[in-house]
Amino acid sequence: GAVVSQHPSRVICKSGTSVKIECRSLDFQATTMFWYRQFPKQSLMLMATSNEGSKATYEQGVEKDKFLINHASLTLSTLTVTSAHPEDSSFYICSAQTGYGYTFGSGTRLTVV
Amino acid sequence: AQSVSQHNHHVILSEAASLELGCNYSYGGTVNLFWYVQYPGQHLQLLLKYFSGDPLVKGIKGFEAEFIKSKFSFNLRKPSVQWSDTAEYFCAVIRMDSSYKLIFGSGTRLLVRP
Repeated sequence: GAVVSQHPSRVICKSGTSVKIECRSLDFQATTMFWYRQFPKQSLMLMATSNEGSKATYEQGVEKDKFLINHASLTLSTLTVTSAHPEDSSFYICSAQTGYGYTFGSGTRLTVV
Repeated sequence: AQSVSQHNHHVILSEAASLELGCNYSYGGTVNLFWYVQYPGQHLQLLLKYFSGDPLVKGIKGFEAEFIKSKFSFNLRKPSVQWSDTAEYFCAVIRMDSSYKLIFGSGTRLLVRP
């Protein structure tokens, strides 16, 4: 149980376009989800906390207008990278809080060309 | 600011060697502690966690970790590693106050040679 499905797993987009990443809790309701970013050979950096039905809480230094987070239902949170630039290329991972701790999506590798 | 430190960035061991990976955190309040593993090409998986009680925690695949509150440490151990343990290991901490955010250490890349 407590599975989080993240889609897409890989995406390549052109500079200036927007990309949406979805994170779904399949067998539980996730009132809180987290979005992380992982640079090559580095740790996961928390970007924002997504709460169902309210605005996301962003970590210091994360541009809220660039990384739009929507958590409209108890099973879906989305991260939209707007006006993507090559420096936004990274591995994005979502996570949901469960009764047993935290479960992670499989990640999305974004490449902006 | 809270931080999680993993002092070993790269570890290379031979099969059957013993493993200990260090993890220290800087927050003085109540914390929950985790170790996650990321095998090549796969997503993060929980190895073990500490919430309260016995400070020696046993996880999956023969891993264990010991919470030493006085040292702010939660080191991961395995008596005898296998080639299949080659992966990246992340220590993570949650502050049990208003934040409840899972903060990760920088990770330790383990290579086990057959």
